[in-house]
Amino acid sequence: KNQVEQSPQSLIILEGKNCTLQCNYTVSPFSNLRWYKQDTGRGPVSLTIMTFSENTKSNGRYTATLDADTKQSSLHITASQLSDSASYICVVSAGGSYIPTFGRGTSLIVHP
Amino acid sequence: GAGVSQSPSNKVTEKGKDVELRCDPISGHTALYWYRQSLGQGLEFLIYFQGNSAPDKSGLPSDRFSAERTGGSVSTLTIQRTQQEDSAVYLCASSLAPSGLSGRLYNEQFFGPGTRLTVL
Repeated sequence: KNQVEQSPQSLIILEGKNCTLQCNYTVSPFSNLRWYKQDTGRGPVSLTIMTFSENTKSNGRYTATLDADTKQSSLHITASQLSDSASYICVVSAGGSYIPTFGRGTSLIVHP
Repeated sequence: GAGVSQSPSNKVTEKGKDVELRCDPISGHTALYWYRQSLGQGLEFLIYFQGNSAPDKSGLPSDRFSAERTGGSVSTLTIQRTQQEDSAVYLCASSLAPSGLSGRLYNEQFFGPGTRLTVL
């Protein structure tokens, strides 16, 4: 069964600090992995996407890494801002399947 | 162009009533998905449309749930005889092509803002 596990479930950090969110998956055959940001009351918005051959992808202060051997991904947020407060969702797609597998998300709160 | 839109943004209904939720996908997107997001839970797949047909309805939780899509565009999700456990945010997403197809980038799903359904 395809699964995506995220940790931590929630995280509180101070503005300006860095943080790293984790994603472990058992999806086969692997096609691609996305990180989404979901602000409260809004739909998820894609931050990064990585395929099997990519092991890092940046989008501004967001940097995602992928280790396809260990089936792990991380999302690193640098110099956090209050607007980073949101839920971050890891989503993995399997080749030949049109339904991605979603993690439950990590709820990040950035305090001033 | 415009993104995915959903209406209403909020819906409060009484137990036993029927509700209709609407999704307007991005123009030209052939694939459309409905998801349910309960508090503190991940997104739960409900149904997938390719054009007007629904190859996969496996996520619909009961026969009270149904969905249709017309003209390859607008979709409506109908919940009959609503129950309190139906309370959740219902998200719609569309993509240019079915997600996961050959791992191409065009399989990104673009989400609407969701409809928050509360069943009293």
